[in-house]
Amino acid sequence: SQKIEQNSEALNIQEGKTATLTCNYTNYSPAYLQWYRQDPGRGPVFLLLIRENEKEKRKERLKVTFDTTLKQSLFHITASQPADSATYLCAPGGSQGNLIFGKGTKLSVKP
Amino acid sequence: DAGVIQSPRHEVTEMGQEVTLRCKPISGHNSLFWYRQTMMRGLELLIYFNNNVPIDDSGMPEDRFSAKMPNASFSTLKIQPSEPRDSAVYFCASSLVYTRAEAFFGQGTRLTVV
Repeated sequence: SQKIEQNSEALNIQEGKTATLTCNYTNYSPAYLQWYRQDPGRGPVFLLLIRENEKEKRKERLKVTFDTTLKQSLFHITASQPADSATYLCAPGGSQGNLIFGKGTKLSVKP
Repeated sequence: DAGVIQSPRHEVTEMGQEVTLRCKPISGHNSLFWYRQTMMRGLELLIYFNNNVPIDDSGMPEDRFSAKMPNASFSTLKIQPSEPRDSAVYFCASSLVYTRAEAFFGQGTRLTVV
C-alpha cells in the first residue's frame, strides 16, 4: 500500500537558520507532490506544488525539490522566522487525483 | 468566494447518536475530499468525489460511516451510530481535479462523542 513518511514529528531551529523537512514515499509514483502548512485549530493551507519533471521550485523563502529516483521531496525554509512555526504536510499526488497526506512535521522557530 | 464552508464547527454528541457533518465546496470545483484528523493517525483521507461521484471510499473506516454528494454544492458525512473513538476533527476540501491544483480546506468540524 502507499506509504508516506515525513522525517520527524518535530523540528526545532533558531531564527535565521534554514529549516529542511523531508518527505519520503513508497509503493507508488506520483506525478506531482504538494506541500501544505497547518496552524493549530485550522485546516491545511496550500504552499507549493512540484511536478515530476521539475527538479526544484521556489516561492519567496520556500524551496522544494522532487527526486523521483529517491522517492523523496525536500522542503526548505530559508531565513526562518518565528511566524514560520507550524506543522508542514506533504502530499504526493495519487493517480486518480486523490490527495493523501503524510503525518506532518511540527516546526518550531525560536527567536 | 467564501471558501469551503463546513458546519457545524463543533459537535458534542452521546455515543449511539447519529451525527451529520456538512460541507459546501468552492463554486466551480469538481473534486471534494473528506478527511479525519487525530494526533495518532494524522490526516486520513476517508472518501473523495469527482463530479459528485464517489471515486474512492477505501478510507471509510466502517459501515457506520457514509458520505453523499447530491449536487455540486453540497456534501454530507454521516456517522450512525457514533462511538467515542470517532472523536476527531473532520475536514472537507475541494479542488479542480483535472488541473491537479491545490486543495482548499474548510475550517473543520471538531466532533466529540461522549
